[in-house]
Amino acid sequence: DVVMTQSPLSLPVSLGQPASISCRCSQSLVDSDGNTYLNWFQQRPGQSPRRLIYKVSNRDSGVPDRFSGSGAGTDFTLEISRVEAEDVGVYYCMQATHWPHTFGQGTKLEIK
Amino acid sequence: EVQLVESGGGLVQPGGSLRLSCAASGFTFSSYWMSWVRQGPGKGLEWVAIIKPDGSEKYYVDSVKGRFTISRDNAKNSLYVQMNSLRAEDTAMYYCATGGRDPYWGQGTLVTVSS
Repeated sequence: DVVMTQSPLSLPVSLGQPASISCRCSQSLVDSDGNTYLNWFQQRPGQSPRRLIYKVSNRDSGVPDRFSGSGAGTDFTLEISRVEAEDVGVYYCMQATHWPHTFGQGTKLEIK
Repeated sequence: EVQLVESGGGLVQPGGSLRLSCAASGFTFSSYWMSWVRQGPGKGLEWVAIIKPDGSEKYYVDSVKGRFTISRDNAKNSLYVQMNSLRAEDTAMYYCATGGRDPYWGQGTLVTVSS
């Protein structure tokens, strides 16, 4: 199985400051169709996960543009340009290139 | 509006069985891969099973192979998972979701395996 390793696992951030989460994969996520199926999810307290980013850098509908994704191959990053109070929660990277699809351990973002 | 509504969760004894259902609306259900994803209490996410739009292909994570069966009824816009030989480690919130390459998730149904 593809192992997804996130860092940091805990991320205290002041309001208005940037935040960055890294996700490293144990093998390439480039599919045979040429796409890289790396997603980022946000899970707010008490809610189900919500996809923010798909195929590395594409924002889902309704996702604020302060969220951005980047990376290639086996190294990926989620960045939040200016953290807001509503961003508190756990963030997961997830690969959908290989079966079984796998998630990172999660990064808990809290307001400092 | 896209909706995925799970049902069927509850308390079951170890070794018991449970069938979860998911009612889909607001999108063309028959065109999407569909999945079950679970999250143990205070834990991370695990993709449990996935099924092709026409039901012809199904894949399972190793920990549930031979015990769980995913199925769908496109005429009823519904997804199911039959869970047999349940273990304490199957205790989790179970989410119905589209395939890993699509964005839709339900709110989950809680399964507790305990004597």
